[in-house]
Amino acid sequence: GESVGLHLPTLSVQEGDNSIINCAYSNSASDYFIWYKQESGKGPQFIIDIRSNMDKRQGQRVTVLLNKTVKHLSLQIAATQPGDSAVYFCAENGDNFNKFYFGSGTKLNVKP
Amino acid sequence: DVKVTQSSRYLVKRTGEKVFLECVQDMDHENMFWYRQDPGLGLRLIYFSYDVKMKEKGDIPEGYSVSREKKERFSLILESASTNQTSMYLCASSFWKGSTEAFFGQGTRLTVV
Repeated sequence: GESVGLHLPTLSVQEGDNSIINCAYSNSASDYFIWYKQESGKGPQFIIDIRSNMDKRQGQRVTVLLNKTVKHLSLQIAATQPGDSAVYFCAENGDNFNKFYFGSGTKLNVKP
Repeated sequence: DVKVTQSSRYLVKRTGEKVFLECVQDMDHENMFWYRQDPGLGLRLIYFSYDVKMKEKGDIPEGYSVSREKKERFSLILESASTNQTSMYLCASSFWKGSTEAFFGQGTRLTVV
């Protein structure tokens, strides 16, 4: 199977600071990389994706960076808020257009 | 808003029982998925379907089967439940093949005793 892993299982940040969540992937054939957010008691929710031919993509308060040389993906959250507290998953589609492989997740704790 | 609804939030079943987990989506999505989520393992794909009556195995299909008789409904079946199938089960749907945005249900916490 695919190997999508995270460097840190838990990340604590102060409210208002920027957060950076990292992810390593193993399949250089992956075409898309995605970030999901899962709040307690809910299913994961799509945040942002990036195609392999890009190295940066911005959304609302979030930026995803892709470094294909070292097979590394990161999610940056600007001005982190209490509502950002959740588990964040990265995913890649490997070499199958319809299948996505998820990492084990990073828990983000936002301290007031 | 897209809604993916799983029939039960919590289920407790006995070893050897046949278990049905139901999922319904209301946005005419082509793709539907079943994942299981275990601590430290992320989400692992059990089965997915890209059309009515079509199904493909995911990474951990053993012990499971699925049914998709109607476009909006995707059922996961545990033929003979075992304790190692105790887990959180998540259903998801997406518009079409290759969509990166999947919409998830709230999950079913299944405990097999």
